[in-house]
This record gives sequence, C-alpha cells and structure tokens, in this order.
Amino acid sequence: AQSVAQPEDQVNVAEGNPLTVKCTYSVSGNPYLFWYVQYPNRGLQFLLKYITGDNLVKGSYGFEAEFNKSQTSFHLKKPSALVSDSALYFCAVRDGWNSGNTPLVFGKGTRLSVIA
Amino acid sequence: DAEITQSPRHKITETGRQVTLACHQTWNHNNMFWYRQDLGHGLRLIHYSYGVQDTNKGEVSDGYSVSRSNTEDLPLTLESAASSQTSVYFCASQEGGPTDTQYFGPGTRLTVL
Repeated sequence: AQSVAQPEDQVNVAEGNPLTVKCTYSVSGNPYLFWYVQYPNRGLQFLLKYITGDNLVKGSYGFEAEFNKSQTSFHLKKPSALVSDSALYFCAVRDGWNSGNTPLVFGKGTRLSVIA
Repeated sequence: DAEITQSPRHKITETGRQVTLACHQTWNHNNMFWYRQDLGHGLRLIHYSYGVQDTNKGEVSDGYSVSRSNTEDLPLTLESAASSQTSVYFCASQEGGPTDTQYFGPGTRLTVL
C-alpha cells in the first residue's frame, strides 16, 4: 500500500531564509509525487510534481522539490521565503507499480509560517 | 476557462437529514474524487470515479454515496447526516492517466447539528 508522511506539523522560518518542508513516502513501484499548497478558506493548488527524470523539480512561486530515491523523500524547498508563502502544504503520492491509475494518497499537511 | 466548482460553499443541516453536495467540472476529465479535510487527519478519500457509471469506495466511505451519470458531475450524498460528518469537503478531477495532476474545487464547509 502507498503512504506518505510529513513529519512536521509546523515549520517556522524567517522571511528571506531558505525553507524546507519534509515528505517521505512508501510505494511498491515507482512513485509519482506531488506537492500542493492550501491558503486559508481555499482549495488545494498544485505546485509541482515528480514523475521521472531529473531529481530536482521546479514548480510555481519559486518552489522546487528534490526527489531522493534512496531516502524515499521528496522535500519541498525555496531559497528565500516570503511572508505570502505562509500556508498549509500537502505532499501526495501515487503508486505507479502497475501503471494503473490509483488515487493520490495525501500526507496530513505541514503548516508553514514565515515571519517578517 | 475550464474549472471545477462546488455548491453550496457552506451548509448547515441537522442530524438525520439527507444532504447532497454538488461538484461540476468543465475540463472533461475522466476521473473525479471526493475528499474530506479534518484537523489532524489531512485529506481522506471518500469516493472516486474513473468514468461514467464507475464509482469506487475510498478510505472513509461509510455514510456517503456517489453516482456518475455524466462526465462533468459527481454529486456526494450523505444519506443520513451525522455530527461526525461535520467537515470541509473537497472535490477534485484529473484527466485520466496516472501521471496527470489532480485539480481541486474550492470546498464545501458542512456543519451537522
């Protein structure tokens, strides 16, 4: 079965500093990995995804994520945090073991707070 | 522009009543999903559909049902609302392949008194 863990409920970072939001996953086959962001009273917005290829994936709003197969991780990063990045971030995984279409499994979310 | 909408955005109902939440997408996506979001639980899958007349149970399907009579809509019905079903409900759609992105609606906040 596929699963994803976000080990930190809350991440605090000063504006201008680099940020990292952690995600680890477990799948039977090749992972398809996604990051979403949720602003207050809004739906989830897609940030980026890893399917195959380059381990460093670039996405919206200056975010990027690094796929590490040996550590089964897909951490979200940004070189310089903005106050407007404060939101709830979700990591999600889909197991591509049989090339079938299984639903995304989401982590519990990490609340990012960027302090001015 | 293509989009995914949910209605109503807010709903208050009483225990035991039947409630239907609407989800409509204009992308012509094959796949549609319903999630609920609760503090401490993240997003949990309720039901999903991979096409017209196809429905599948998710992780927390008890007390919920869906039907897919066309590509655009996947209504979620709470047969007899319970206080434990107070939550924020999100609908999502996805084109069809396993690498395709899911796109989410704005959510419906449901309160069961």
